[in-house]
Amino acid sequence: SQQGEEDPQALSIQEGENATMNCSYKTSINNLQWYRQNSGRGLVHLILIRSNEREKHSGRLRVTLDTSKKSSSLLITASRAADTASYFCAQQGFGNEKLTFGTGTRLTIIP
Amino acid sequence: NAGVTQTPKFQVLKTGQSMTLQCAQDMNHNSMYWYRQDPGMGLRLIYYSASEGTTDKGEVPNGYNVSRLNKREFSLRLESAAPSQTSVYFCASTQPGPRSYEQYFGPGTRLTVT
Repeated sequence: SQQGEEDPQALSIQEGENATMNCSYKTSINNLQWYRQNSGRGLVHLILIRSNEREKHSGRLRVTLDTSKKSSSLLITASRAADTASYFCAQQGFGNEKLTFGTGTRLTIIP
Repeated sequence: NAGVTQTPKFQVLKTGQSMTLQCAQDMNHNSMYWYRQDPGMGLRLIYYSASEGTTDKGEVPNGYNVSRLNKREFSLRLESAAPSQTSVYFCASTQPGPRSYEQYFGPGTRLTVT
């Protein structure tokens, strides 16, 4: 399997704290994407970072990419109860529109 | 604009029964995908269609068939269901281009095979 790994598998933090999730992958990528999945729902796209980018921001989200280590991290700042969800990274290779998803991090925000 | 819709939402089958999962998108996307999601496994690609009239196998195609009926619709068929096919199935679509390959997902079909 070419699936990436995410770390940690589960994370519980207090509301207002920052949450950091990590993703490792195995092959060269064109871009890496992060998705959120609320319980019982489909995935929703959060942010995309290209292989020539090192950091990207979107609202309270910050994504970094280190292609030399084949890893990415997602930081959610000032967490809210509504951020409780599973978060998945997904890699897209070159010349191929398919995505390969990681195993996900289950984030719980404690009010 | 409904995005990606899937039917049914839930289904229980007996081993050996067949069924078709339906997916439709109204975003005029060229590419469509079928995934399955099992606990601790993330999403795994079953089949995908880069355009109307074309389909290709993904990571886990065995036991499934697909039809890209037209640009809007992409169906997944289980000819003889097995307990190992108990899973949540997601359909997704995207419009490939130089700027983005963001995928849009349907709400999922929860399938149990007994």
